[in-house]
Amino acid sequence: KAGVTQTPRYLIKTRGQQVTLSCSPISGHRSVSWYQQTPGQGLQFLFEYFSETQRNKGNFPGRFSGRQFSNSRSEMNVSTLELGDSALYLCASSLSTTGINTDTQYFGPGTRLTVL
Amino acid sequence: GENVEQHPSTLSVQEGDSAVIKCTYSDSASNYFPWYKQELGKRPQLIIDIRSNVGEKKDQRIAVTLNKTAKHFSLHITETQPEDSAVYFCAARDYNNNDMRFGAGTRLTVKP
Repeated sequence: KAGVTQTPRYLIKTRGQQVTLSCSPISGHRSVSWYQQTPGQGLQFLFEYFSETQRNKGNFPGRFSGRQFSNSRSEMNVSTLELGDSALYLCASSLSTTGINTDTQYFGPGTRLTVL
Repeated sequence: GENVEQHPSTLSVQEGDSAVIKCTYSDSASNYFPWYKQELGKRPQLIIDIRSNVGEKKDQRIAVTLNKTAKHFSLHITETQPEDSAVYFCAARDYNNNDMRFGAGTRLTVKP
């Protein structure tokens, strides 16, 4: 099976702009989680989607949003970009067939966002 | 919510020695504890995980132990090799909240 894919891999934006990142999970996986990785803050949970519904959300401002489509592909959007949003954005998918939370998460390669 | 602390932040060992990384978690409802390895410029890769109904799990040179009472779990790597050099992250999943919380990471360096 193909692994988790993310597009684009690299992105450069300026402050105030908005950005949309895409994640395609492993075929058959229904849960997609998003994380922000920075050297100072480590891996921080943004949100998780399951069956097109946001199942959980981390402690990020409302500028960060996401959605999931019927084919389980997910997008996240960041509006009004700030310098501090520069990070590696990782998504991870899991099978989650019964909706339980213990399924293994497989990460994508990430999108490196640079905000100038 | 869940809080995961990981120690040490850096660890340097000689090739062939063992390495141990420890994590503590705060939420007794957590029931899933994976460990990820992240090499420079690459995605985190799951190396081993443990669920709260077992106390220990082994996979060749890697083992994880879980102490639910004390709320801590550890990663043990034996006979370390230079290719084990990477950043290792522990995580805990809160059954109630369904989100995954990560430790800050341990940079392991194995010297040949």
